[in-house]
Amino acid sequence: LAKTTQPISMDSYEGQEVNITCSHNNIATNDYITWYQQFPSQGPRFIIQGYKTKVTNEVASLFIPADRKSSTLSLPRVSLSDTAVYYCLVGDRGMDSNYQLIWGAGTKLIIKP
Amino acid sequence: DTGVSQDPRHKITKRGQNVTFRCDPISEHNRLYWYRQTLGQGPEFLTYFQNEAQLEKSRLLSDRFSAERPKGSFSTLEIQRTEQGDSAMYLCASSPQLTGEPKHEAFFGQGTRLTVV
Repeated sequence: LAKTTQPISMDSYEGQEVNITCSHNNIATNDYITWYQQFPSQGPRFIIQGYKTKVTNEVASLFIPADRKSSTLSLPRVSLSDTAVYYCLVGDRGMDSNYQLIWGAGTKLIIKP
Repeated sequence: DTGVSQDPRHKITKRGQNVTFRCDPISEHNRLYWYRQTLGQGPEFLTYFQNEAQLEKSRLLSDRFSAERPKGSFSTLEIQRTEQGDSAMYLCASSPQLTGEPKHEAFFGQGTRLTVV
């Protein structure tokens, strides 16, 4: 069963760039890597998704090396409102072909003034 | 508001009772997911639908849990004979992905917080 591993927590300061790395050694060949953000008492919110190399949108960048066994979410110039839990998501098709979505434990990011 | 809607937002029930939650996805979204989340943990996948077909179900899911999406629109999640361990946030999400697409961009509702006493 594919599994993701992320740091439990990180902290940084306003205006800094933050990089959160997720390892997913058993990612399926055709699966995407997706990152979500979650604030307390709210559902997760999609941030970014990629398959390989680099993807950038208006809020973040996602770096994926050639072996795809890890990915790094990069948040440029963070603000206090970026304090949240960030989840890395990959899928997995087990030996019985039962496909499941596997979420990491999440990284609690705290931004300080 | 055209986002994913869940009802109720909060539910307190006695152990042994049955509960049912409703999820209204974003209109025209093909996929609908159910997750469970406990405090300090990431969401745990329960099941997902592609239109009205339930395509996958967590191998860890108890047979007390059942979900339906009768017309490919709204969905219900029922828990029978609730136990204290069922206390959690139940999240619904929908996405426009098609069958076979391994992408996971989904839009989540606010969740239903279940407390079993």
